[in-house]
Amino acid sequence: DTAVSQTPKYLVTQMGNDKSIKCEQNLGHDTMYWYKQDSKKFLKIMFSYNNKELIINETVPNRFSPKSPDKAHLNLHINSLELGDSAVYFCASKSRYGYTFGSGTRLTVV
Amino acid sequence: AQSVTQPDIHITVSEGASLELRCNYSYGATPYLFWYVQSPGQGLQLLLKYFSGDTLVQGIKGFEAEFKRSQSSFNLRKPSVHWSDAAEYFCAVGATNNYGQNFVFGPGTRLSVLP
Repeated sequence: DTAVSQTPKYLVTQMGNDKSIKCEQNLGHDTMYWYKQDSKKFLKIMFSYNNKELIINETVPNRFSPKSPDKAHLNLHINSLELGDSAVYFCASKSRYGYTFGSGTRLTVV
Repeated sequence: AQSVTQPDIHITVSEGASLELRCNYSYGATPYLFWYVQSPGQGLQLLLKYFSGDTLVQGIKGFEAEFKRSQSSFNLRKPSVHWSDAAEYFCAVGATNNYGQNFVFGPGTRLSVLP
């Protein structure tokens, strides 16, 4: 199936740990994103990456870093996790027709 | 700040019946409006979007939506529902900043389809 897929769907971890969330798209899109969804269902952009240019939302802590091994993948690494990092994280890719989102990763930091 | 409401948490319709899902938004400027569908275990798929121009927007899978500025609404419609349309539907308002597009999603409406 053509899609944006994220793994894992659920991630529970302790404060201070380092974790990664993987994202893959087989849609051939050039641009990929990471979003963080807050409790009010607001998806706030964290990063956009189009294989040439990384644009970082300056409000995102530098503990968060995207890594793109190739055009189809944009993984999210988070160092020294904090309680406030608990949220749902969505990966997305974009064509000229719009955004396609992954199913989300619910991260719980305990 | 943007906000989106979807008054109906769950709707059940019979296959072949018409469908209307309601969406109301609050936004200070001309909004970018979207409808997304999420099937179980799947990601959010774009059904249609409104940026400007014709207020009746056609989307994929036979869906359409009408932007009514006076009512701050962007309701989704389909004349004849198919069993495969059972899913969760999200209305969203988008706003672009220097980093890209932020979205505010409504709480979603779950659609069940009776055979």
